[in-house]
Amino acid sequence: EAGVTQFPSHSVIEKGQTVTLRCDPISGHDNLYWYRRVMGKEIKFLLHFVKESKQDESGMPNNRFLAERTGGTYSTLKVQPAELEDSGVYFCASSQAGGTMYGYTFGSGTRLTVV
Amino acid sequence: AQSVTQLGSHVSVSEGALVLLRCNYSSSVPPYLFWYVQYPNQGLQLLLKYTTGATLVKGINGFEAEFKKSETSFHLTKPSAHMSDAAEYFCAVSGWTYKYIFGTGTRLKVLA
Repeated sequence: EAGVTQFPSHSVIEKGQTVTLRCDPISGHDNLYWYRRVMGKEIKFLLHFVKESKQDESGMPNNRFLAERTGGTYSTLKVQPAELEDSGVYFCASSQAGGTMYGYTFGSGTRLTVV
Repeated sequence: AQSVTQLGSHVSVSEGALVLLRCNYSSSVPPYLFWYVQYPNQGLQLLLKYTTGATLVKGINGFEAEFKKSETSFHLTKPSAHMSDAAEYFCAVSGWTYKYIFGTGTRLKVLA
């Protein structure tokens, strides 16, 4: 089975520009999560989708971040306008059942650098 | 509230030596505890988990961890390091929820 796919793998943009990250979860996984790791720090939760609905977006840093999940399939995370502090690695994960006890499948991440 | 502390952002061991990666947690509810590993250019992969029951849990690739409630610890061990174990390891805690609280990670280097 294909894993969680994220692209691009790397993105370098200038401050003030817009970037869109994409995540393709494992087929059939209703639950999709976004996490972020700022350099040297812990991986932090951003938000959780069940199908196309946002269940929890309490980790989203501010309103420059917009996440969508079209038709309950792939998800995008848009940053507009990007700031220097948005640099980091953005991970997407998916699971069939909701709940950490089942474990999630993570993608390899998108490394975003804002200059 | 929950939190995780991983002691040592970088750990080096010789091939064949014991691997010990330390993790302490704080949790106001009975914790679920996890170790994830990230190999270069790959996603995070679940190594092992503790939810309930036996406190010594075994995972993939010969790793194991022991939940010690009195010490609020969940250290990861492997008796004999292999070159292929070089990676970054993340300890995480959660409750009966869908959200992980991760530590800052420990990068393991295995010396030939």
